[in-house]
Amino acid sequence: KNQVEQSPQSLIILEGKNCTLQCNYTVSPFSNLRWYKQDTGRGPVSLTIMTFSENTKSNGRYTATLDADTKQSSLHITASQLSDSASYICVVALVNNNDMRFGAGTRLTVKP
Amino acid sequence: SAVISQKPSRDICQRGTSLTIQCQVDSQVTMMFWYRQQPGQSLTLIATANQGSEATYESGFVIDKFPISRPNLTFSTLTVSNMSPEDSSIYLCSVETGGWTEAFFGQGTRLTVV
Repeated sequence: KNQVEQSPQSLIILEGKNCTLQCNYTVSPFSNLRWYKQDTGRGPVSLTIMTFSENTKSNGRYTATLDADTKQSSLHITASQLSDSASYICVVALVNNNDMRFGAGTRLTVKP
Repeated sequence: SAVISQKPSRDICQRGTSLTIQCQVDSQVTMMFWYRQQPGQSLTLIATANQGSEATYESGFVIDKFPISRPNLTFSTLTVSNMSPEDSSIYLCSVETGGWTEAFFGQGTRLTVV
């Protein structure tokens, strides 16, 4: 069983709408949780990195939340754009940071 | 930040041959990571390459199949040896800078074995 579960697996929304992607994890001990955006055919690009003590972090139209008690994180995208179409990957880094566990990703498609 | 140049971007190779992928970073980094990404799936860590020591391989990956070099703090190579069609995948290198503060990825190498 994957220790980092993402939902939904895929999502289609209309341009301008908001959406929220979910990430539940079971791994510990926990150092930080990251959200990456990966365009097709490209390497992942970091969106946010949150430590255990952080509850929310924003990067432009992207806002990530973290509840370390329930081991849940979400990535909220506001006023979606066509360029937001990509895979969004949740990654949990364990204490030594050499060990990272990847979610399977959510494939987001934004349509005009 | 760190800028990573990964080569080649793609290649089509015959089974039984080997391919070496290069990863050049524009700054000195201690840890470099090599990942594999199967189509439509997330990343799987192959190994961690630290300068001056042997690479550390994850379960399911062995040095004979994926030899790694790390001659200095800005460069690393991953070789996919004796390739079979099952090795067709995207291979990515990654670096960590400033502890946990940031991770950067290369553009990836799309390998097709025929």
